[in-house]
Amino acid sequence: GEDVEQSLFLSVREGDSSVINCTYTDSSSTYLYWYKQEPGAGLQLLTYIFSNMDMKQDQRLTVLLNKKDKHLSLRIADTQTGDSAIYFCAEIGYGGSQGNLIFGKGTKLSVKP
Amino acid sequence: DAGVIQSPRHEVTEMGQEVTLRCKPISGHNSLFWYRQTMMRGLELLIYFNNNVPIDDSGMPEDRFSAKMPNASFSTLKIQPSEPRDSAVYFCASSLEGDGYTFGSGTRLTVV
Repeated sequence: GEDVEQSLFLSVREGDSSVINCTYTDSSSTYLYWYKQEPGAGLQLLTYIFSNMDMKQDQRLTVLLNKKDKHLSLRIADTQTGDSAIYFCAEIGYGGSQGNLIFGKGTKLSVKP
Repeated sequence: DAGVIQSPRHEVTEMGQEVTLRCKPISGHNSLFWYRQTMMRGLELLIYFNNNVPIDDSGMPEDRFSAKMPNASFSTLKIQPSEPRDSAVYFCASSLEGDGYTFGSGTRLTVV
């Protein structure tokens, strides 16, 4: 079945770049997403990439997609303490009339001053 | 738009009691999702609705769980009877087909 895998923890120093990796299984996924969850809050859509793209840049965020290896990454440049959160990778699964998102377990990013 | 609104934010109840969680999706969104989040299992999809119709409820753990969507602006998730292992954060999310999901702030449920 569909599955999304992420490492559970990442720790970086303020000002460094963070790279969060994700692998997925459904090669037919049309969109892949990154969500951010701050403590005590719901998930917030951070960015997404269409499957026919291999890179998307949005300010400090860069998403790279390797469709052949089914590997997705999120790079955060100049990481700040406010970036500390759990980051979820998600792919569209297919069921019924609309797909639903299949989430990874999330990567907890800790940013040290 | 106020976003996806969930109530209550926190619920503490005794084992065996009925619990009802509520969700108001974003106006115009045609899909609604209920998720449960725990440390052990991460984020699990319980059920989702499309145009108020339940499409996939295979994630609902037991018959003690039920969900309804009587109209496009309201959904409930009910647990009866509740058990301590149901303690989790329950999220509701809505979307317009083809777009990303918008999540509510969640209901933190504690069953003692």
